[in-house]
Amino acid sequence: SAVISQKPSRDICQRGTSLTIQCQVDSQVTMMFWYRQQPGQSLTLIATANQGSEATYESGFVIDKFPISRPNLTFSTLTVSNMSPEDSSIYLCSVEGQGYYEQYFGPGTRLTVT
Amino acid sequence: AQTVTQSQPEMSVQEAETVTLSCTYDTSESNYYLFWYKQPPSRQMILVIRQEAYKQQNATENRFSVNFQKAAKSFSLKISDSQLGDTAMYFCAFMKGAGANSKLTFGKGITLSVRP
Repeated sequence: SAVISQKPSRDICQRGTSLTIQCQVDSQVTMMFWYRQQPGQSLTLIATANQGSEATYESGFVIDKFPISRPNLTFSTLTVSNMSPEDSSIYLCSVEGQGYYEQYFGPGTRLTVT
Repeated sequence: AQTVTQSQPEMSVQEAETVTLSCTYDTSESNYYLFWYKQPPSRQMILVIRQEAYKQQNATENRFSVNFQKAAKSFSLKISDSQLGDTAMYFCAFMKGAGANSKLTFGKGITLSVRP
């Protein structure tokens, strides 16, 4: 499985500001995914990031709020813009496994918005 | 759209005993993939086991095995010889396929506590 790191691991931010979360993989992958996990809840997919193309967003998530970059096959960023307390969540990136039909997750970024 | 249902929010099991976690799903796809993920309190999501829908044989990984009933759209996880380190939240997840179909749909999760 791939080794995935995320930065920062946690942050406390003030409302109205933005935070960029980085996801780094130790091998080249085609598909990267960003999920949100609200407190005590399950994971919800925000968007799929394919290298060299615009991210594909799920219903309820928009690019202005969650812009994503995917500059190469090992790296992606998710920005949470104009934050409000409702954005307090764990944000996780994942990658498609080498054998496809499986995904591996990063350790997550715990975001608290005050 | 696919849905994944985990109706038990919490379960508890004595160390060394066996526990079964339930999951049902709904899809119109004929081929797909099902997963169980474990999320310990440290929050790192760990892939526990995977099942391909086209395979009749149930997947096993050491102490973890599944009971996959395609017609009933049921996918339960059995943990044998439970250990304290199995304490975690467990999520059942569905995937349609590779590439653009490889996004995961998760159930609500179940919190498993293993008692010493």
